[in-house]
Amino acid sequence: QGNLVESGGGVVQPGTSLTISCAASGFTFTNHALQWVRQAPGKGLEWVAAVSYDGRDKYYAASVKGRFTVSRDNSKNTVHLQMTSLRNEDTAFYYCARDRSKTSSGSSLDLWGQGTLVTVSS
Amino acid sequence: DIQMTQSPSSLSASVGDRVSITCRTSQSVSIFLNWYQQKPGKAPKLLIHRAVTLQSGVSPRFRGSGSETEFTLTISSLRPEDVAIYYCHHSYSTPFTFGPGTRVDLK
Repeated sequence: QGNLVESGGGVVQPGTSLTISCAASGFTFTNHALQWVRQAPGKGLEWVAAVSYDGRDKYYAASVKGRFTVSRDNSKNTVHLQMTSLRNEDTAFYYCARDRSKTSSGSSLDLWGQGTLVTVSS
Repeated sequence: DIQMTQSPSSLSASVGDRVSITCRTSQSVSIFLNWYQQKPGKAPKLLIHRAVTLQSGVSPRFRGSGSETEFTLTISSLRPEDVAIYYCHHSYSTPFTFGPGTRVDLK
């Protein structure tokens, strides 16, 4: 059925950058779009970004557009989220999730990682 | 952007009760509405996709209905393991929004 494992979270200062990654296994990586969803501690789910199966199409939430970049390496079955100009309000668990299809529109997230915590604090 | 609301925000019910959660969207999302269950400390789990389709491996006690702007998740007979927060989510167009969640507890 597959597995997603996020890594790279940690404590960073406001204004700095961090890249988190998600390693996929157990399924055909190029058959699926991938998304990042975050959840501030004790809060609800917030969609962050999506990337199509081939990496050509990328979409971002308004709250991160221009600061975050999603990318994927289909040769290594990994997806990355490069985060710059981090703010206190970016503090959250970041989940990597697999779309049921090659593109995110009209799809749903049928496989999730365990999440990685990013804390932005001075 | 499409706004999502869920009602109620929380509920308490007894084992065996029928439970319904409503999700409304600010504009039509056709059938592109999904439901997720999240238990404490865990990642969300897909229950229902495209409004009415039960995800493989999910208990048939869960049922989705609705279209356009109003959707319902029904648990036919509540069990202790159903204690969780339930989120609706649309994938009609970006930004893909989640509802605020409905907390389900046991009475």
